[in-house]
Amino acid sequence: QLRLQESGPGLVKPSETLSLTCTVSSGSILNNEYYWAWIRQPRGEGLEWIGSVFYSGGTYYNASLRTRVNISVDTSKNHFSLRLNYVTAADTAVYYCARHQVRYFGAGWFDPWGQGSLVTVSS
Amino acid sequence: DIVLTQSPGTLSLSPGERATLSCRASHSVSSRSLAWYQQKPGQAPRLLIYSASSRATGIPDRFSGSGSGTDFTLTISRLEPEDFAVYYCQQYGSSPQTFGQGSKVEIK
Repeated sequence: QLRLQESGPGLVKPSETLSLTCTVSSGSILNNEYYWAWIRQPRGEGLEWIGSVFYSGGTYYNASLRTRVNISVDTSKNHFSLRLNYVTAADTAVYYCARHQVRYFGAGWFDPWGQGSLVTVSS
Repeated sequence: DIVLTQSPGTLSLSPGERATLSCRASHSVSSRSLAWYQQKPGQAPRLLIYSASSRATGIPDRFSGSGSGTDFTLTISRLEPEDFAVYYCQQYGSSPQTFGQGSKVEIK
C-alpha cells in the first residue's frame, strides 16, 4: 500500500525558506498516471492546494503562491520536495503531501495523503 | 477561483441516523469534478468520493455522493461511531482546485 511521509524542520523564522520533503514508499514516484502534491491546512482551518509535480519535473502551482513556491522531484530517492520562500506567520500550517490524480489542467483528487507535518513560522 | 460553501457547519446526529451534507459551488463544476474527504482529529484527510459519486477504494457503501453543476451532496446512510468527523468537498473542474470549509458531524 502506497505511503507518503513528510519530513523537515518544524520551526522556520519569518522571511526565511520553508523546506519539506515527502518520501514515497511501497510504490514508485516514476508513474505517468499521477502527479505529487503539497497541500496545507492552518490550524483549525480549511485546506489549500499549494502545487504539484510530475516525475519528469513538470509542475502546476496555485497562482496565489506561485511567486514564492518551488516543488521539485528526485526520482533516484523516490521523493519530492517543497520550498516556500519569504515565509510569514500566515504560512504556519500543517503541510501534507499526497498523490494527485490529475484530470484537467493540473486539477484532480488527492489519494492517499501523508500524515502531515506542522510547520510554525516564528522568530 | 471557484468557492465551495458547505452546509451545515455542524450536524449533530446519533449513531444509526442518516447524514446529509451539502456542497454548493460559486460556479458550475465541470464534468462533475467533485471529491469528498473525511478528516478525523490529528489525521490527514481520506478520500471518500471522486467524480461526484464514485466511491474510493475501500470506502463502505453507506457513503454515497450525488449532484452536478453547482449543487452536490454527500450522504451517510447510517452513521457508525467511526463516521463522526469533519467532511470536506473539493472541486477539480478548474484550476486551482479548491476545498470547502468543512462540515462537522458530531455525536448528539
